[in-house]
Amino acid sequence: GQNIDQPTEMTATEGAIVQINCTYQTSGFNGLFWYQQHAGEAPTFLSYNVLDGLEEKGRFSSFLSRSKGYSYLLLKELQMKDSASYLCAVRDPSSGYSTLTFGKGTMLLVSP
Amino acid sequence: DAGVTQSPTHLIKTRGQQVTLRCSPKSGHDTVSWYQQALGQGPQFIFQYYEEEERQRGNFPDRFSGHQFPNYSSELNVNALLLGDSALYLCASSGSDRQETQYFGPGTRLLVL
Repeated sequence: GQNIDQPTEMTATEGAIVQINCTYQTSGFNGLFWYQQHAGEAPTFLSYNVLDGLEEKGRFSSFLSRSKGYSYLLLKELQMKDSASYLCAVRDPSSGYSTLTFGKGTMLLVSP
Repeated sequence: DAGVTQSPTHLIKTRGQQVTLRCSPKSGHDTVSWYQQALGQGPQFIFQYYEEEERQRGNFPDRFSGHQFPNYSSELNVNALLLGDSALYLCASSGSDRQETQYFGPGTRLLVL
């Protein structure tokens, strides 16, 4: 089976740093993705990890540990516009091709 | 460079009706995947089209069907609509390589009354 867990909600203050965790249990693994989704809008691609370690992209970083089935998304210098849902998704080749299995998303609220 | 486009943006239907949603992939992409996202949930995979054929299917009933055209655009059809089909329907496009990242369109919000 496939199971992807992430916290339902998180709150943080503008200018702070927040870490959103994701744990997964899948039959196979061929990459982990983070997407940002503002209310009523489409998910937008943030990051991709397939090997262990940290990937940095501006204010956003994503970490992967395949042995632990664990990833996190780190957001630095938080801005009000970062208030959104953050989706963790795993590409599992046992599900075929490039299909993604998503977690339920973590709603991040950034306050002034 | 146009991204993924979907139409219509919103749709209201009644139970038992049929609906067709449309998607045009990002330029250079030839693979289209459809997802259903219920309120407060992550997207769930419906099916994927490549070379005008359904290449992979998720756990959705046969009421959900699709099509891909020679220009790579795609349609999602849902028959005999149920109240539970109310959701945001997302189209994602990618290249044919298994390593390709999927990029999402703005979605169609379907409300079934």
